[in-house]
Amino acid sequence: GESVGLHLPTLSVQEGDNSIINCAYSNSASDYFIWYKQESGKGPQFIIDIRSNMDKRQGQRVTVLLNKTVKHLSLQIAATQPGDSAVYFCAETAIISGGYNKLIFGAGTRLAVHP
Amino acid sequence: ETGVTQSPTHLIKTRGQQVTLRCSSQSGHNTVSWYQQALGQGPQFIFQYYREEENGRGNFPPRFSGLQFPNYSSELNVNALELDDSALYLCASGGIQGTQYFGPGTRLTVL
Repeated sequence: GESVGLHLPTLSVQEGDNSIINCAYSNSASDYFIWYKQESGKGPQFIIDIRSNMDKRQGQRVTVLLNKTVKHLSLQIAATQPGDSAVYFCAETAIISGGYNKLIFGAGTRLAVHP
Repeated sequence: ETGVTQSPTHLIKTRGQQVTLRCSSQSGHNTVSWYQQALGQGPQFIFQYYREEENGRGNFPPRFSGLQFPNYSSELNVNALELDDSALYLCASGGIQGTQYFGPGTRLTVL
């Protein structure tokens, strides 16, 4: 399939290492943040989310950290596996109408996992 | 799998033509949103539909239009195609203030 993110920043890690992907967001009023994983030729896949009243949330092998002071979000992946290789996007929400929201995506980071 | 499906998978059109892309939302979700993803970039919000009406729109011209049907399926229509419309078009379904779940996308190439 066609590659996503041909000119994105790349994080290269060894299989088994921990990965940290960082993201800066723009809207201090955003109250909900989501990390997505996008493999080549596929749509973004939900990984984990966090609300603005939290600073940390853990999932299976993943942890999201939120620092509202500096508007920074990070995704930590423990024991990175070859199947984790993909482009990772953070997204913040913005209210559009009736309480519903749209997603505003960051630029994305390519994670390359080497054996 | 998210339960969101899109058709067709790939499409090639020429400048000036019109195109219709289709999406079937995940059961239980009452909004459907469309995003455009140019190569090497993150998805950009086009518009959202709720109860068959446009609920919000991004910075896209009126030649981008949509429909939502009672069964929560949706269409994205683009008139007078331009070369810069070449992109991956993503459909996402969700609920109020919640996560949006994406389909696999339609790759549109405008020649």
